[in-house]
Amino acid sequence: RKEVEQDPGPFNVPEGATVAFNCTYSNSASQSFFWYRQDCRKEPKLLMSVYSSGNEDGRFTAQLNRASQYISLLIRDSKLSDSATYLCVSHTGGFKTIFGAGTRLFVKA
Amino acid sequence: DTGVSQDPRHKITKRGQNVTFRCDPISEHNRLYWYRQTLGQGPEFLTYFQNEAQLEKSRLLSDRFSAERPKGSFSTLEIQRTEQGDSAMYLCASSPSRDSPGGEQFFGPGTRLTVL
Repeated sequence: RKEVEQDPGPFNVPEGATVAFNCTYSNSASQSFFWYRQDCRKEPKLLMSVYSSGNEDGRFTAQLNRASQYISLLIRDSKLSDSATYLCVSHTGGFKTIFGAGTRLFVKA
Repeated sequence: DTGVSQDPRHKITKRGQNVTFRCDPISEHNRLYWYRQTLGQGPEFLTYFQNEAQLEKSRLLSDRFSAERPKGSFSTLEIQRTEQGDSAMYLCASSPSRDSPGGEQFFGPGTRLTVL
């Protein structure tokens, strides 16, 4: 079993739609979590950190459920520019960072 | 440009050859990571440096792989006796020490390796 697993995707949604991605992690010692965005043939870039209390950044909301060991990302009012691969990331507090395989999102006009 | 840079951007080599990649992190960042990414997968952690010390090394990093960061600035990743399975994008990332170890990482554009 992979340490971080994500919805397989791809997600194909129309502009303006709300889309949610889930991610589960297997290591209960994981301490910090992130969502990164990766455009085609580009490097990953941090989208947002994920806190136990949940956090929101504009159209993006991230949630963490430690009891169930899952992380979610909600994108509201999808834009064409949101088309990308979204990577779920966990960190155990040591120096090893674990990325999920990513979920591809296609937003269509 | 003050971001993370990697060189070369592309490398084509024949099986059995040695290759070396370079990463220059953001200047004030003392944490440096190497990852490998294949098509359809997320980055796989290879190794981590804090300044010149290599503090973490993945089991994925076989004896053919070695990384150095001799002066705590740039880093090199060498692959000896390359195999076709080594074909991948090799990504370098850096982060500042003021953040926790799990803080934001800034990635370079990567070096794409093709082993024929």
